[in-house]
Amino acid sequence: GQQVMQIPQYQHVQEGEDFTTYCNSSTTLSNIQWYKQRPGGHPVFLIQLVKSGEVKKQKRLTFQFGEAKKNSSLHITATQTTDVGTYFCAGVDGGTSYGKLTFGQGTILTVHP
Amino acid sequence: DAGVIQSPRHEVTEMGQEVTLRCKPISGHNSLFWYRQTMMRGLELLIYFNNNVPIDDSGMPEDRFSAKMPNASFSTLKIQPSEPRDSAVYFCASRKGQGARGYTFGSGTRLTVV
Repeated sequence: GQQVMQIPQYQHVQEGEDFTTYCNSSTTLSNIQWYKQRPGGHPVFLIQLVKSGEVKKQKRLTFQFGEAKKNSSLHITATQTTDVGTYFCAGVDGGTSYGKLTFGQGTILTVHP
Repeated sequence: DAGVIQSPRHEVTEMGQEVTLRCKPISGHNSLFWYRQTMMRGLELLIYFNNNVPIDDSGMPEDRFSAKMPNASFSTLKIQPSEPRDSAVYFCASRKGQGARGYTFGSGTRLTVV
């Protein structure tokens, strides 16, 4: 079945440093979604990427979808303590009619003030 | 909008007992998902309902797990009998439509089976 791998598993940064997490799928995706989960919280939808090579920005966050639609990345510029949490990518399997999401294992981000 | 509402927030039960988790999706959302989250296995899809009908239950671990959606505003996930390895956070999520859109997750139920 479809597998979505995410690296790194953990990332510790000083406040103000940049952060990037990478996501790779074993199969071509119809689209990819990103979620953030704060410690003790629930996943919160951030964004969806659909087009090959698509780049979207949300303030300090930049999301990219690879040309082959098998990989994606999330980059945070100048991290803040409010960025702490786990970032998940979730690939949408184009083989299912309902857009089944397969989540990566997530990257846990800690930000030291 | 109250969001996706789950209850209880925490449940501690003894092995062998029946556990029922509840979920109220966002009004107007016709897709509902039950996920389980553990450190070892991450977020796993257990079952997906569309318009109250179970569409994909391939993630339900075994016969001890069952899920129902009697109407558009309520779903349950039942474990009977519960085992310590069922300890996890169980999330319910809903979505409007059947296509690829973002899910709205509830706050989850943290289940501990001792």
